[in-house]
Amino acid sequence: GAVVSQHPSRVICKSGTSVKIECRSLDFQATTMFWYRQFPKQSLMLMATSNEGSKATYEQGVEKDKFLINHASLTLSTLTVTSAHPEDSSFYICSARGEGASRVKLFFGSGTQLSVL
Amino acid sequence: KQEVTQIPAALSVPEGENLVLNCSFTDSAIYNLQWFRQDPGKGLTSLLLIQSSQREQTSGRLNASLDKSSGRSTLYIAASQPGDSATYLCAVTNAGKSTFGDGTTLTVKP
Repeated sequence: GAVVSQHPSRVICKSGTSVKIECRSLDFQATTMFWYRQFPKQSLMLMATSNEGSKATYEQGVEKDKFLINHASLTLSTLTVTSAHPEDSSFYICSARGEGASRVKLFFGSGTQLSVL
Repeated sequence: KQEVTQIPAALSVPEGENLVLNCSFTDSAIYNLQWFRQDPGKGLTSLLLIQSSQREQTSGRLNASLDKSSGRSTLYIAASQPGDSATYLCAVTNAGKSTFGDGTTLTVKP
């Protein structure tokens, strides 16, 4: 089945630094990728939708200058948390929608636990 | 705006029991509905996907049903095992976006 690889799985950083999270579709072309955020004991909240080659669409309340999303190829999307602060500590998960037979399904990455000190 | 509700929020059962998890949604114009499993600190594992034209899907001990008209889906787990302990999420996709419920945390006691 289709696989989405997300790295890193866990990152600890100092306040003020930037962190980049990668999301790769390993065996299919992902024209659309989604980035979600999950606070403890809460469900996933969509942050933004990225389409290959175009600017990401951010959900209301998500700062686009804070969470930079790049989807430069059909197999890679990145989320950069800029000038991270402790309130950005959360679980971030990406998902990808494939083309063809796999188009109707969302494939999820394994997630990234971000802890900002 | 689509809203997805999962009941109960938590469930604890003894090993071997059959159980049902519920998911309801407000906008019936869905593209599909998917059930996921999430272990603590981990990502999501897709369990079952039901297209809007389907009524149910089965995989092993799992059976998911979909009733679009009433805005409901159920996930049936037969002969539960301790390894089934996890949080189960349903996600409804329509208009290009997926909306998740808050999940049901299942504990299966040996």
